[in-house]
Amino acid sequence: GENVEQHPSTLSVQEGDSAVIKCTYSDSASNYFPWYKQELGKRPQLIIDIRSNVGEKKDQRIAVTLNKTAKHFSLHITETQPEDSAVYFCAARLRPGAQKLVFGQGTRLTINP
Amino acid sequence: NAGVTQTPKFQVLKTGQSMTLQCAQDMNHEYMSWYRQDPGMGLRLIHYSVGAGITDQGEVPNGYNVSRSTTEDFPLRLLSAAPSQTSVYFCASSYSPGQRDSPLHFGNGTRLTVT
Repeated sequence: GENVEQHPSTLSVQEGDSAVIKCTYSDSASNYFPWYKQELGKRPQLIIDIRSNVGEKKDQRIAVTLNKTAKHFSLHITETQPEDSAVYFCAARLRPGAQKLVFGQGTRLTINP
Repeated sequence: NAGVTQTPKFQVLKTGQSMTLQCAQDMNHEYMSWYRQDPGMGLRLIHYSVGAGITDQGEVPNGYNVSRSTTEDFPLRLLSAAPSQTSVYFCASSYSPGQRDSPLHFGNGTRLTVT
C-alpha cells in the first residue's frame, strides 16, 4: 500500500552539529518529495523539496538527497542552531500527475545549546 | 492573499454531536485536502478534492464527510463525534499538476476535543 516510513522519531544533537533524518517510500512511481517543518503549535511549512529527476538539492544549511533505486530520501541540516528545533515531516507524492501527499510519522529534532 | 483560512481554531464537542470545520483558500488552488495530526502518527489524509464537485477518500475517511461546491471552500463535517476524533485538523491546498506544480499550503489548524 501507500506508505512513507520516517526515522528516527526523535533526534537530539548539539548545537553546531549536523542532523540527518531518513525516509523510505513504497511506490517506485513516486516523483515528488517535500520536507515540512512544524514548530510547536504552528502549521507545517515547506522547507525544501526534491523531484525524482534530481539526486540532491541544497538551500543554505539544508539539503535533501534522493536515492530512487533504494527508494529513500534524506534531510540533512548542517551547523544546527536552536531555532532548528521542531518536528520535521517528510512526504511523498505517490503517483505522477496526482497531487495527494502521504506523510511520514515525523521526527522531533532538539538542538541542545 | 490570506492563504488558507480555517475556522474555528478550537472546538469542544460532546460525543454524538455534529459539526463542520471550515476551510477557505484565496489562491485559486484546485487541490484541497484535510489531514488529522495525532501524536506519533504524523499527518494522515482524511479526504481530498482535485476540483469543484470532485472529492475522494484518503487514508482515514470514516466518520467524516466533505463537499466541494466552490473552488475556494472545502468544509469537513463530523457526522457524530467520537472521542477517537480528538485531534488537530489541518486543511491544505495547492495547485494541481495540470495548473502549476506547487507545494501544499497549510491552514493554522483546528484543535478538536471530543468528550
